[in-house]
Amino acid sequence: DTGVSQDPRHKITKRGQNVTFRCDPISEHNRLYWYRQTLGQGPEFLTYFQNEAQLEKSRLLSDRFSAERPKGSFSTLEIQRTEQGDSAMYLCASSAGQPNQPQHFGDGTRLSIL
Amino acid sequence: LAKTTQPISMDSYEGQEVNITCSHNNIATNDYITWYQQFPSQGPRFIIQGYKTKVTNEVASLFIPADRKSSTLSLPRVSLSDTAVYYCLVGETAGNKLTFGGGTRVLVKP
Repeated sequence: DTGVSQDPRHKITKRGQNVTFRCDPISEHNRLYWYRQTLGQGPEFLTYFQNEAQLEKSRLLSDRFSAERPKGSFSTLEIQRTEQGDSAMYLCASSAGQPNQPQHFGDGTRLSIL
Repeated sequence: LAKTTQPISMDSYEGQEVNITCSHNNIATNDYITWYQQFPSQGPRFIIQGYKTKVTNEVASLFIPADRKSSTLSLPRVSLSDTAVYYCLVGETAGNKLTFGGGTRVLVKP
């Protein structure tokens, strides 16, 4: 399978704990995106990278959230001191970065905060 | 990014053609129109993208009138497995964040 891979698929944790998600993009894609999706809503943009550089962050990305892409390949999204409102599906997407090349999504990590 | 408006939901029957129209009155010159399909507990899946006139692939067709203020996604001969949420997006997809609306929930009935 050469698509976008996300791990874990599901994460259940207690409020106040830290969680980290991983995304492996399509290998030749230099752009990587994180989105968050709550039930019944469309995905909302969080941040994106071109290679290892984080180029844009949404206001949704509070200081408890941090994303990295250290070698320009896989990325991690960490949430510190989780809150009930963090419960959502966290989606990763990647693209080749060529003009109007579509973004391809993984199947997400579903986070549930107890 | 240009805002889009699409129906909240549509019902259809197996074997029928489903047409979903999306309005994007403020589309910019450089914007493309992209459609995604999403099943429960899965990420959005790219269906089709176009700039003007008509685009067709193995899954769908996309019709874009000359003024580009709307577009229509056409799904030929739908099956039960086409039940999903369909999102219309407008913008420069290369390197840019995607702004999703609420999508259209399509229910295909036997």
